[in-house]
Amino acid sequence: DVKVTQSSRYLVKRTGEKVFLECVQDMDHENMFWYRQDPGLGLRLIYFSYDVKMKEKGDIPEGYSVSREKKERFSLILESASTNQTSMYLCASQRVSSYNSPLHFGNGTRLTVT
Amino acid sequence: AQSVTQPDIHITVSEGASLELRCNYSYGATPYLFWYVQSPGQGLQLLLKYFSGDTLVQGIKGFEAEFKRSQSSFNLRKPSVHWSDAAEYFCAVKIPGGYQKVTFGTGTKLQVIP
Repeated sequence: DVKVTQSSRYLVKRTGEKVFLECVQDMDHENMFWYRQDPGLGLRLIYFSYDVKMKEKGDIPEGYSVSREKKERFSLILESASTNQTSMYLCASQRVSSYNSPLHFGNGTRLTVT
Repeated sequence: AQSVTQPDIHITVSEGASLELRCNYSYGATPYLFWYVQSPGQGLQLLLKYFSGDTLVQGIKGFEAEFKRSQSSFNLRKPSVHWSDAAEYFCAVKIPGGYQKVTFGTGTKLQVIP
C-alpha cells in the first residue's frame, strides 16, 4: 500500500513566521502535489512537482513556495505566514505510469496562523 | 479549463436508505472522472474512476457511479447506506493527456442518521 506521510497533524504558528510542511511518500511516485482544503471551496492546487527539483505553480501559489530535493520528499514553505493561510493542507503523490493512476493522499496538516 | 460542480453541500440520509450524490463537469470532451471520500481526520481515498467504456462504474465500499455524457454528469450512488459512510465526498476531473492536474469539486458532506 502506498503511504504518504505528512510530518505534522496540527501546527500553530504566528504571523510572519516561516513555516515548513513536510511530505514523504514511499512508493517512488514521480508526481507530488500540495493542495489546500477550505470549507465550501474544496481542494485547490498550490504547487506540484513532476520530478526532483522540478515544480509548477498550481491555481493558488501566491504566498507559498516548494522544494523537492529528493524524489520521496516534497516540502511546502510559507515564507511569512499570514492568518489567511490558516487551513488544512493535503499532500498527494501519483505514479505516472498511466493517465488513470489515482492520487494518494496523506492525512493532512491543519495549520493555524495566529 | 475544466470545472466541477457538486450542487449539494450537505446531505442527510437514514441508515439503509439509498444515496445519490450529484456531480456535473464542464469540459468540451470526456474527461477522466473520479470520486474520492474523506473520513473525518483523514486524507482522501479513491472510491472509483471512469475513463472510457462501460458508463456504469463499480467502486469500493459498495459504491457505483454512472457517466452520462448528455448531462455532463457523473453521479455517485449506493443502494443502502451504512453509518460508516458518513464522510465528505469529492468529485474530480482530469483532462486526458498533458500534465496530470486534477480539479476537485467543493465536496458534499454526508450525514447518516439511525
